[in-house]
Amino acid sequence: DTAVSQTPKYLVTQMGNDKSIKCEQNLGHDTMYWYKQDSKKFLKIMFSYNNKELIINETVPNRFSPKSPDKAHLNLHINSLELGDSAVYFCASRGAGSSYEQYFGPGTRLTVT
Amino acid sequence: AQSVAQPEDQVNVAEGNPLTVKCTYSVSGNPYLFWYVQYPNRGLQFLLKYITGDNLVKGSYGFEAEFNKSQTSFHLKKPSALVSDSALYFCAVRAPSSNTGKLIFGQGTTLQVKP
Repeated sequence: DTAVSQTPKYLVTQMGNDKSIKCEQNLGHDTMYWYKQDSKKFLKIMFSYNNKELIINETVPNRFSPKSPDKAHLNLHINSLELGDSAVYFCASRGAGSSYEQYFGPGTRLTVT
Repeated sequence: AQSVAQPEDQVNVAEGNPLTVKCTYSVSGNPYLFWYVQYPNRGLQFLLKYITGDNLVKGSYGFEAEFNKSQTSFHLKKPSALVSDSALYFCAVRAPSSNTGKLIFGQGTTLQVKP
């Protein structure tokens, strides 16, 4: 059973399009995250939700909008895609209480042409 | 502000030799520290963490890390490297005051183990 899953794995699209990436976790965790990994492999937090409530909203263009329909799902919608949005996007989740580590999904490689 | 530094972009080691991947951090208060590994085209896998207690922590795949408060370091070590250990390694820190669990990652160190 995959703990944190993302769809799609690869996404190739043209500038100006709107696209969504979906994330699901079956770990029963309360908190989920979106990260962006750029071409130099640098990882940066974008958003986090705890029980469907937004708790981290880093300096990200407002073309990016996260949505959490329930605590097991966290989706990322991107409007008006730009070349600079090309990256690998990772979803992660973390349990409550003393569970400090985050568990990552396999990533979605977004290529904007 | 919190920060993590991994001073080496790449570490090369021969199979069977000990390996060290360095990490230093800056955070207010006692840090929560983590190591993750990323294999090509894969997500990050959790290796180990330091929260409190013994300064030497053991993790997955024979890896361990030593927390050194005076040097603000949390170096990853393994006594005998395997070719299969070749991957990208990330150190991360979380401030204990954070109620969001926000992690700050270092820039990553590529470990290359040669047969």
